[in-house]
Amino acid sequence: AQSVAQPEDQVNVAEGNPLTVKCTYSVSGNPYLFWYVQYPNRGLQFLLKYITGDNLVKGSYGFEAEFNKSQTSFHLKKPSALVSDSALYFCAVDNTDKLIFGTGTRLQVFP
Amino acid sequence: NAGVTQTPKFQVLKTGQSMTLQCAQDMNHEYMSWYRQDPGMGLRLIHYSVGAGITDQGEVPNGYNVSRSTTEDFPLRLLSAAPSQTSVYFCASRSDESSYNEQFFGPGTRLTVL
Repeated sequence: AQSVAQPEDQVNVAEGNPLTVKCTYSVSGNPYLFWYVQYPNRGLQFLLKYITGDNLVKGSYGFEAEFNKSQTSFHLKKPSALVSDSALYFCAVDNTDKLIFGTGTRLQVFP
Repeated sequence: NAGVTQTPKFQVLKTGQSMTLQCAQDMNHEYMSWYRQDPGMGLRLIHYSVGAGITDQGEVPNGYNVSRSTTEDFPLRLLSAAPSQTSVYFCASRSDESSYNEQFFGPGTRLTVL
């Protein structure tokens, strides 16, 4: 069965510093991997996805993610964090027509 | 485009009551789905539909029914609400059943069952 793990419940980072939100997955076959963001009292918004090709994918709001097949990871990164990036981030995998989410990581960016 | 809309935004039910959560999309998307979000558990798939007249179960289907009579609408029915169904419910859609397409989420319905 496919699954996604986000090992950190919360990540704290100072504004201007780089950030990483970790995600590992377990799936048979080639995965489609996604990152979504949820701002308070809102639905989820799509950030970026990996389907195939270049291991570094770029998405909305300056975020990027690196697909690493050998480590089965898909970590979300941003070179310089903003206070407005503070939100709940979800990694997800889909290869059987069902989107399976991780438990989420709360990102807190301090001024 | 309004995107994915959900009604109501908030609802309080008593144990045993029934209700329908409404979901509609105006993007002509074939694929629609329902998720529930609980603290520490992420989002879990309840039911999904790959087109009008076709529905299937997700991870946590018990206690919920769905139907898909039109492309636009995908209501979620709770036949006899239980406190364990207290959650935030999200409806989502994507253009087709292709797994590499991203989903668009509604704003959610916060349900409390007393």
